[in-house]
Amino acid sequence: EPEVTQTPSHQVTQMGQEVILRCVPISNHLYFYWYRQILGQKVEFLVSFYNNEISEKSEIFDDQFSVERPDGSNFTLKIRSTKLEDSAMYFCASKGGRRDEQFFGPGTRLTVL
Amino acid sequence: QKEVEQNSGPLSVPEGAIASLNCTYSDRGSQSFFWYRQYSGKSPELIMSIYSNGDKEDGRFTAQLNKASQYVSLLIRDSQPSDSATYLCAVKNYGQNFVFGPGTRLSVLP
Repeated sequence: EPEVTQTPSHQVTQMGQEVILRCVPISNHLYFYWYRQILGQKVEFLVSFYNNEISEKSEIFDDQFSVERPDGSNFTLKIRSTKLEDSAMYFCASKGGRRDEQFFGPGTRLTVL
Repeated sequence: QKEVEQNSGPLSVPEGAIASLNCTYSDRGSQSFFWYRQYSGKSPELIMSIYSNGDKEDGRFTAQLNKASQYVSLLIRDSQPSDSATYLCAVKNYGQNFVFGPGTRLSVLP
């Protein structure tokens, strides 16, 4: 069964460093998302991406964040200058064209020291 | 502010019993509703989606939607210890993103 994959599973970085989180969505899906979940808190929407552009973003997704689909398979989230409060699980999700169900990858645990 | 509310639990049920999980949402324009299961340290796993009023059954799971009351629920029949997890209610509004509730922690006791 096709699934969303994410790398790395765990990323440790120093405050102020740039990180890139990678996702490979399900191959025939058209909509891609990033969510984050701070430990013990809700899953929060960051950004959605369709047709090679951002379709929606939340207040969390400020100028420090960017997304890219550099080729036909990968979908990346870049955080330019990480802060302590960026420590969280980051989930990539994807959705096909017809139905609204989103399927989540296993997540990347980001730890900012 | 679009909100999705759930009792945080924990909800404890004995093995074999019915677990009932509830969710309310604030945006009357919400269109699609989802239940995800999340084991500790893992990602959300889609269990059910429901789009119209009434009941939808899939195996041991039944989702119920009442748009007039802005209420969606999940029933788990014949609960098993492996069902012990946090259950997340997610709501899609007019946009593409989901709004998640805080989750209800379910504990099924052997």
